[in-house]
Amino acid sequence: EQLVQSGAEVEKAGFSVKLSCKAYGGTFGSTAFSWVRRAPGQGLEWLGGIVPGFETKKYAQKFHDRVTITADESTTTVYLEMSGLRSEDTAIYFCARHRGGYYYAMGDWGQGTTVTVSS
Amino acid sequence: QSVLTQPPSVSGAPGQRVTISCTGTSSNTGPGFDVHWYQQLPGTAPKLLVFDNDWRPAGVPARFSGSKSGTSASLTITGLQAGDEGVYYCQSHDTRLDVVIFGGGTKLTVV
Repeated sequence: EQLVQSGAEVEKAGFSVKLSCKAYGGTFGSTAFSWVRRAPGQGLEWLGGIVPGFETKKYAQKFHDRVTITADESTTTVYLEMSGLRSEDTAIYFCARHRGGYYYAMGDWGQGTTVTVSS
Repeated sequence: QSVLTQPPSVSGAPGQRVTISCTGTSSNTGPGFDVHWYQQLPGTAPKLLVFDNDWRPAGVPARFSGSKSGTSASLTITGLQAGDEGVYYCQSHDTRLDVVIFGGGTKLTVV
C-alpha cells in the first residue's frame, strides 16, 4: 500500500497548481484522503479531504475558496488544485489516506510534493 | 494558533524518557474522541506512531506509547535514541468545526 505524489512545482504568484496522489493497493473509494502541508518553519496544516466513492469533501475554512480536491476512481488518484497562489503557499504538500473516515488516523502518506511560489 | 496545544520543544538524554502533551477541548479530544500521533523525522513524510489514543501500528516499537485522560493526550517515548530527533504531532477531528486538526508540533532533541 503506497501513495505516490507528482513532482515538484514552481509557479508564479497568482497562478494555480494541481497536484496528484496515486494510490497503489489498499482501499480507495470508501476511505478518506486528506491533503496536509508543511511550510518552512511551520507545523502540519490540514487543507481538506475527500472520500472518493461518496464525493464527500471537507475543506479547512482558511482554504475553502482557493482549494479544490477531486478524485478519479478509475485511476485511484486524488488531486489537489490551489488557485491564487501566494508566497506563503510555498510548502511541502502531502497526501494521506485515513484508516477509514475522517475520524480515523492517517496510516499511509505520500512522499510529499514541494511547491515553490515565486513573486 | 493550533486548536490542539503542544509544547514547542522537549529534550532528553539517550536512554531517558520524555512525555509530550496535547490539550484540546470537549469537541475534539474529550471523551469519545480519539487522538493520533505522528512522527516527522527531518526530510521525511510524517509517520503514524499511535492511533486511537493508545494503539501502535505494526512495526512501531513499544518504546512509543500513548494515553488520554479528559481532554488531554500524551505521547511517551522511553529509551531515547538519537534517531528519535524530529517533530511530533498530535491530531484529532473537531466535531464542532467538522475538520481534521493538528497540534502545533513538538520538536524533540536528544542531547
